[in-house]
Amino acid sequence: AQTVTQSQPEMSVQEAETVTLSCTYDTSESDYYLFWYKQPPSRQMILVIRQEAYKQQNATENRFSVNFQKAAKSFSLKISDSQLGDAAMYFCAYFSSGTYKYIFGTGTRLKVLA
Amino acid sequence: EAGVVQSPRYKIIEKKQPVAFWCNPISGHNTLYWYLQNLGQGPELLIRYENEEAVDDSQLPKDRFSAERLKGVDSTLKIQPAELGDSAVYLCASSAGQGVQETQYFGPGTRLLVL
Repeated sequence: AQTVTQSQPEMSVQEAETVTLSCTYDTSESDYYLFWYKQPPSRQMILVIRQEAYKQQNATENRFSVNFQKAAKSFSLKISDSQLGDAAMYFCAYFSSGTYKYIFGTGTRLKVLA
Repeated sequence: EAGVVQSPRYKIIEKKQPVAFWCNPISGHNTLYWYLQNLGQGPELLIRYENEEAVDDSQLPKDRFSAERLKGVDSTLKIQPAELGDSAVYLCASSAGQGVQETQYFGPGTRLLVL
């Protein structure tokens, strides 16, 4: 069975600085997708970035980028030029192309300090 | 384009009472998910629909939980009777479906408090 691990329950970053959130996963599948979702306090969960496992190039969305290490089964999220609005819970998620099931990590709470 | 709509946003009930949650997915999305999210945790799948068929309900506590998606569009999740431990956020999500688009989009959730 697939698992997703986020080993950092909480992280802090100064405004305008860069922070990296870690995620590792375990799978025997070769075809899958990985996602980072952001959930602000009491607000809707929104997609930050997605990565197809078959793509070697790391996905980038504006200030958000990933470091996808397929062999190491690692999928970290880098947030550059952190803003106060980035403060939220961040969830790493794995999507199985075989079972069409999403598996979420336990989340990392990001605090942005002014 | 409207996102995933859920209602109600908040619900407070006494234990042993029934409760129902409603979800309308993004137009054209064939796949619909119901998740349970406990405080400080990631979402956990309760049930997944492909159109009107429940294709994965292995995590749904069927003794008290039920769900339906009769016309393959909107869906209802019911709890009867509710227990104190059911207090959580119930999330609905949708995606375009198999082989098309794997990204799922979430609704705002229904926060349930059972007293």
